[in-house]
Amino acid sequence: EVQLVESGGGLVQPGGSLRLSCAASGFTFGSYRMHWVRQVPGKGRVWVSSIYSDGSRTIYDDSVKGRFTISRDNAKTTLYLQMNSLRAEDTAVYYCARDEPMAAGAFDIWGQGTMVTVSS
Amino acid sequence: DIQMTQSPSSLSASVGDRVTITCRASQSISSYLNWFQHKPGKTPKLLIFGASSLQSGVPSRFSGSGSGTDFTLTISSLQPEDFATYFCQQTYTALYTFGQGTKLEIK
Repeated sequence: EVQLVESGGGLVQPGGSLRLSCAASGFTFGSYRMHWVRQVPGKGRVWVSSIYSDGSRTIYDDSVKGRFTISRDNAKTTLYLQMNSLRAEDTAVYYCARDEPMAAGAFDIWGQGTMVTVSS
Repeated sequence: DIQMTQSPSSLSASVGDRVTITCRASQSISSYLNWFQHKPGKTPKLLIFGASSLQSGVPSRFSGSGSGTDFTLTISSLQPEDFATYFCQQTYTALYTFGQGTKLEIK
């Protein structure tokens, strides 16, 4: 079964750090570009970051640039998001997703999400 | 960034109804528009990609149309399992953006 499973969310104080993981299974992880998307409960989804299949290129939304780092370990079929200098406005459910180049780049597989709460 | 404006934000309908949801892009995105369904406790499900292509396994009552800036998702005859949140996504640029979502509820 093709699956993405996020972990690593939790409660962290402002200014703190957290590392999210996304374990992939059921497909050739190293062949796909991967993404992080977040959603504040009750609000719309916001793209956060992307990484090419070989890790050679990363892209970030301006709101997280310089604070978040996306990475991947293709041998472990795992995607990561290192989040530093966290702010209250980073509170959200974080989803990892795969994009399918044969489907107009649509994010065709998503994880179930992991909640990050930034609060003192 | 390309802004995606989705409407309506919520919708009440009955089983058997025909339902239409729209997404408007702030600039042309050709046909790089995708539609998703999301139910509580489930992962988002891709319904339509490239504005009008039905994802494998998705019932044919779902259809998408449009190009440029204006797009539509249509459910031809609502079924009980269709009550969920629907959202659009543009993949024209690598700074991906999403519509705010439409919550489809039972009337």
